[in-house]
Amino acid sequence: NIVMTQSPKSMSISVGDRVTMNCKASQNVGNNIAWYQQKPGQSPKLLIYYASNRYTGVPDRFTGGGYGTDFTLTINSVQAEDAAFYYCQRIYNSPFTFGSGTKLEIK
Amino acid sequence: QVQLKESGPGLVQPSQTLSLTCTVSGFSLTSNSVHWVRQPPGKGLEWMGGIWGDGSTDYNSALKSRLSISRDTSKSQVFLKMNSLQTDDTAIYFCTRRLQPWGQGVMVTVSS
Repeated sequence: NIVMTQSPKSMSISVGDRVTMNCKASQNVGNNIAWYQQKPGQSPKLLIYYASNRYTGVPDRFTGGGYGTDFTLTINSVQAEDAAFYYCQRIYNSPFTFGSGTKLEIK
Repeated sequence: QVQLKESGPGLVQPSQTLSLTCTVSGFSLTSNSVHWVRQPPGKGLEWMGGIWGDGSTDYNSALKSRLSISRDTSKSQVFLKMNSLQTDDTAIYFCTRRLQPWGQGVMVTVSS
């Protein structure tokens, strides 16, 4: 089975900074990756699908990139409300494995 | 408006069977897939399995021997049944239409 590895596990960023988090697939998954944001006590919300497509209503400071095995989620000019866990997921061909997540804290 | 809502018992005894229902609205089960994802307290997300528009199913291999997903299209409901529950099955269980949206989740505690 394909393993999705996210890094770093956590990061602490100041408001206005740019942050990049990573997701690495153990095998080539093409562009079949989604990114989710989950805040405490809430269900995950889709941010990016097929690696670089921003979901409806997602602010344009969120950008996804990558292909094959290496993917990134970049948040430009981080806002206080971006504090959350971020998960990547393989979205084509079962199993639809999640990464272990990156916790973003705002200083 | 597309919505999903999970329902089921909050407490299940060890070795018993968990039965959850996901009631959907705003879309057809015959042309969309619905998936179950769980999240143990303080931990990450685990894809459990899903049922596709044609009624076929896919399961996480780690859970396949204990898990069954089915549906009733006339009632717009998707069902999860998992047997032989243990304490490490304690989690929030979510249903989701493929990528988005997700239900609010239901907390299930496995304890005697």
